[in-house]
Amino acid sequence: GQQVMQIPQYQHVQEGEDFTTYCNSSTTLSNIQWYKQRPGGHPVFLIQLVKSGEVKKQKRLTFQFGEAKKNSSLHITATQTTDVGTYFCAGRSGGSYIPTFGRGTSLIVHP
Amino acid sequence: GAVVSQHPSRVICKSGTSVKIECRSLDFQATTMFWYRQFPKQSLMLMATSNEGSKATYEQGVEKDKFLINHASLTLSTLTVTSAHPEDSSFYICSARRSGGENTGELFFGEGSRLTVL
Repeated sequence: GQQVMQIPQYQHVQEGEDFTTYCNSSTTLSNIQWYKQRPGGHPVFLIQLVKSGEVKKQKRLTFQFGEAKKNSSLHITATQTTDVGTYFCAGRSGGSYIPTFGRGTSLIVHP
Repeated sequence: GAVVSQHPSRVICKSGTSVKIECRSLDFQATTMFWYRQFPKQSLMLMATSNEGSKATYEQGVEKDKFLINHASLTLSTLTVTSAHPEDSSFYICSARRSGGENTGELFFGEGSRLTVL
C-alpha cells in the first residue's frame, strides 16, 4: 500500500534559524496536505497542494509539491517559539479519499 | 471554520469496562469520519473509516469487535472501546471531512480523547 515517509523525526533549532521537513511518497499523489499539531493539541490543517511543482506561501511558511508529485516540503524561515509543534504531511493517491499521514516532524525551537 | 467536538477529553476506567468516545461535527455535515490512535510522540495511526449509515471500514490489524464504531447521523460518530485493557491506553482522535460539494479534502480534527485504563 501507499507509504509516506517524513524526515527528520525531530529537529532542534535556535530561534531565528530556518527549518525544513520533507515528505516522500512511494506512489504518485493526487494531492498532499500539511497539518500542525501543537504539544497537547490536535492537528490543524495548514494547506493543500494539488498541482505538480506547486509552491505556496503562508507568511514565513513555504510549501512545495514536487514535479513528480511524489514529494513535498515545508520550510519555515526564521523560526519563532510559536512554531513549536509536530508537522505532518498527508498524501492521497489514486481515487482514494483517505489521506496517508507521514510520521511527523517535531520542531523544537530554543529561545 | 468547521469545528469538530470530541468528548470526553480524558477518561480513566478500570480494566474490563467499556468506554464510549463521541465525535461531533458542530457546524457541518460529515458523511465520513476517521478514527485515529496516537502514541506519545508518534504519528496518527488510522484505525477505521466511519461512514454514515453503513458499517465502518477497519484498517488491517484493528479488531472491529474491540473498537466498535457507529455513525448514526451526519454529525455524530462514536468509538466504543470494549473490555478495555491497559494496552488500550492511548490518545484517540477523530477527524471529519465535509460532505458533498463543500468538501475540499481538508480534515477537521477533534480535540482528542486520552484514555487511561487501570
